[in-house]
Amino acid sequence: DTAVSQTPKYLVTQMGNDKSIKCEQNLGHDTMYWYKQDSKKFLKIMFSYNNKELIINETVPNRFSPKSPDKAHLNLHINSLELGDSAVYFCAASMGNTEAFFGQGTRLTVV
Amino acid sequence: AQSVTQPDIHITVSEGASLELRCNYSYGATPYLFWYVQSPGQGLQLLLKYFSGDTLVQGIKGFEAEFKRSQSSFNLRKPSVHWSDAAEYFCAVVSSGTYKYIFGTGTRLKVLA
Repeated sequence: DTAVSQTPKYLVTQMGNDKSIKCEQNLGHDTMYWYKQDSKKFLKIMFSYNNKELIINETVPNRFSPKSPDKAHLNLHINSLELGDSAVYFCAASMGNTEAFFGQGTRLTVV
Repeated sequence: AQSVTQPDIHITVSEGASLELRCNYSYGATPYLFWYVQSPGQGLQLLLKYFSGDTLVQGIKGFEAEFKRSQSSFNLRKPSVHWSDAAEYFCAVVSSGTYKYIFGTGTRLKVLA
């Protein structure tokens, strides 16, 4: 059973489209995250939810909107996709500040 | 501001040789420290973590790391590298209550047969 699972694993889409990435964790952890990894492998936090409440919202364009329907799920919706949005997006979960468990990533390619 | 520095972008070692990957952090209080490994096309896997106590921590796959407060460092070591250790290694830090894991820029390890 995968602890943190993301779907889809690959996503190829045209500029201007709207897409969503889904994340589910079965760890029972209280905090979930979205990270973006660029082509140089740099990992940057985008959002964090603790018990369904948004607690971290970095300087991310408004086109990115996270949604946490419950503590086990954190989805990421992206509007009007741009070429620069191409990256690998990682979902993660932690219990407080203990170790974060990462999903396998979603490779988004905008063409 | 919190920051994590991994000075070595690339490291190449021969199989069987020892390994040390450097990590320095900038932080006011004692942070929680982590090392993760990322194989190509994969997610991040936790190798080890330091919260408090013994400054030498053991992790999976034969890795260990030592926390040195005076040097603000948390270097990762392995006495004998295997070809399967070739991957990207990330050091990360988080402060209590912030929920914001800050990652270093990563060190790519290449292992020569």
